[in-house]
Amino acid sequence: GAGVSQSPRYKVAKRGQDVALRCDPISGHVSLFWYQQALGQGPEFLTYFQNEAQLDKSGLPSDRFFAERPEGSVSTLKIQRTQQEDSAVYLCASSSSGEANEKLFFGSGTQLSVL
Amino acid sequence: AQSVSQHNHHVILSEAASLELGCNYSYGGTVNLFWYVQYPGQHLQLLLKYFSGDPLVKGIKGFEAEFIKSKFSFNLRKPSVQWSDTAEYFCAVNVYSGGGADGLTFGKGTHLIIQP
Repeated sequence: GAGVSQSPRYKVAKRGQDVALRCDPISGHVSLFWYQQALGQGPEFLTYFQNEAQLDKSGLPSDRFFAERPEGSVSTLKIQRTQQEDSAVYLCASSSSGEANEKLFFGSGTQLSVL
Repeated sequence: AQSVSQHNHHVILSEAASLELGCNYSYGGTVNLFWYVQYPGQHLQLLLKYFSGDPLVKGIKGFEAEFIKSKFSFNLRKPSVQWSDTAEYFCAVNVYSGGGADGLTFGKGTHLIIQP
């Protein structure tokens, strides 16, 4: 595709509900990242995939957060039993290689509001 | 763990003024440094990056940044700003770990408003 696509664009969830956020990276991009951006803050790293392998999940805030990329392309970030502090914009980014200095292409994000 | 500090959270300038946005990071080893920009209603995009070589790097739209290792700084500059530079600017760093990609650590961002 032309860019990184994320859906839904907005999600409102009741506290305790499970949500699933989708990311379609640029076709052929090896690396995929998830970030969480709270209001007035910079993005914070959650997890990283190289192809289908989840190489780093050190940023996931709790075991309620789970991410997968089973075929090395589309990725899903799942949050179970959502809580109000999960309200944030969830950003997905991809890059063409696995190099640390590679440019990241970001999606527009999913804005999650937990009531 | 590394951290990134952006000194100015809100900056207001008039068109044609010069710009310098401060960024300091805390990590003693080899780093890759980035500035990303988010224009109103758009996604984050790369302005410029430094990973080796000339410490003065030039990016898109007339922006440049200078890596000063002794000061742990990577300040962003533009000699003459335009109204279209109104945006949120993020400094980011990742640690060189011998080849593998790693998550970026971002600063909190600087909201730049250019008045016509």
